[in-house]
Amino acid sequence: GDSVTQMEGPVTLSEEAFLTINCTYTATGYPSLFWYVQYPGEGLQLLLKATKADDKGSNKGFEATYRKETTSFHLEKGSVQVSDSAVYFCALRGNTGGFKTIFGAGTRLFVKA
Amino acid sequence: ETGVTQTPRHLVMGMTNKKSLKCEQHLGHNAMYWYKQSAKKPLELMFVYNFKEQTENNSVPSRFSPECPNSSHLFLHLHTLQPEDSALYLCASSQDKGGTEAFFGQGTRLTVV
Repeated sequence: GDSVTQMEGPVTLSEEAFLTINCTYTATGYPSLFWYVQYPGEGLQLLLKATKADDKGSNKGFEATYRKETTSFHLEKGSVQVSDSAVYFCALRGNTGGFKTIFGAGTRLFVKA
Repeated sequence: ETGVTQTPRHLVMGMTNKKSLKCEQHLGHNAMYWYKQSAKKPLELMFVYNFKEQTENNSVPSRFSPECPNSSHLFLHLHTLQPEDSALYLCASSQDKGGTEAFFGQGTRLTVV
């Protein structure tokens, strides 16, 4: 079945460092891909998405490109802030079979001042 | 109010109690979901409802009983839970079509004592 694998955390960075969180997926067909963020005590919020190959999703300085050839959707940010500290989830949603969203295990990011 | 609203935000219950979690969405979506988020575990999809009909039950114990009276409301009835059921329960909704994202509530933090 469909699945998402993302790098284990926690990831600890200093403010203004470059961030990469790796995500790869397995799916039939052409899923849509998402990154969600969860701040402490909150639910998940959509950060960005891409619905077809070579699309780049971006929001709040974060970017991810849908790479079908490598089945990847890595999250990047050029300069992280303390306020980016959260848990990040990579997810996919298929275009068949009920459209449920499949999540990776989540990667916790700590940013130090 | 827009978005997905969950009540209560926090719940402490004994193992012999019966309680219910409520979820409401005002986004016009026709699919609703319950997820369980436990510490150090991936998000677990519990139930999926599409146009009020349950389309997925991921081997959830019968002490969890969902109810979806209409496309805007979703309940999770809890009965004789175990301490290991303590977790954050997240409700989500989406359009029933590919390429669209799920919207999440803030969750109910459940503690079973």
